Amino acid sequence: EVQLVESGGSVVRPGGSLRLSCEGSGFMFDDHGMTWVRRAPGKGLEWVSGLNWKSGNTDYVDSVKGRFTISRDNANNSLYLQMNSLRVEDTAVYYCARGPTSARPLWFDVWGQGTTVTVSS
Amino acid sequence: NFMLIQPHSVSESPGKTVTISCTGSSGSIASNFVQWYQQRPGSAPTTVIYEDNQRPSGVPDRFSGSIDSSSNSASLTISDLKTEDEADYFCQSYVGSTVVFGGGTKLTVL
Repeated sequence: EVQLVESGGSVVRPGGSLRLSCEGSGFMFDDHGMTWVRRAPGKGLEWVSGLNWKSGNTDYVDSVKGRFTISRDNANNSLYLQMNSLRVEDTAVYYCARGPTSARPLWFDVWGQGTTVTVSS
Repeated sequence: NFMLIQPHSVSESPGKTVTISCTGSSGSIASNFVQWYQQRPGSAPTTVIYEDNQRPSGVPDRFSGSIDSSSNSASLTISDLKTEDEADYFCQSYVGSTVVFGGGTKLTVL
């Protein structure tokens, strides 16, 4: 069964850091680009960051550039999102999602169940 | 900036057909593929339509997608509505390498 499982969400104070993880199983990670998408309370889905699995090329939404870093661990079929300088407006459920090819995903065919990040003082 | 505009909410009765629109704010929506995602309360999103009108395996054929270039819109049509179709639906496309989601439509089946 193809599966993505996120972890690492927590309550953190503004200015703090968190590292989210996404472990994949049931498919060849090398064959798929990966992304992070979030949904803030009462809002819609927002693309956060994407990664081309083979080349390692990355991109970010403007609001997180310079604060968030997407990375991968091929050996462990894992995707990460290092989040620094967190803001209240980063509060959301964060989903990792798989692209249909190894390129940086432009759409998503498999989603994880999400992990909750709450930034509050 | 390119945006995808969806109605905030729609409602329809079980057994009926509903169509959710997704209008591109600029350019041609037909230039890049449109996807549709369903998100039930408390659950993760799932893909119900990809590449304008393709259904992933496991998605019933009650779900269909289309593009109307004249109105610069994509549409998701759900026929024979069931109570389990009640969810938020998001269209999604891209401009260059930038992924764009619509604001989402809450479908109520009552």
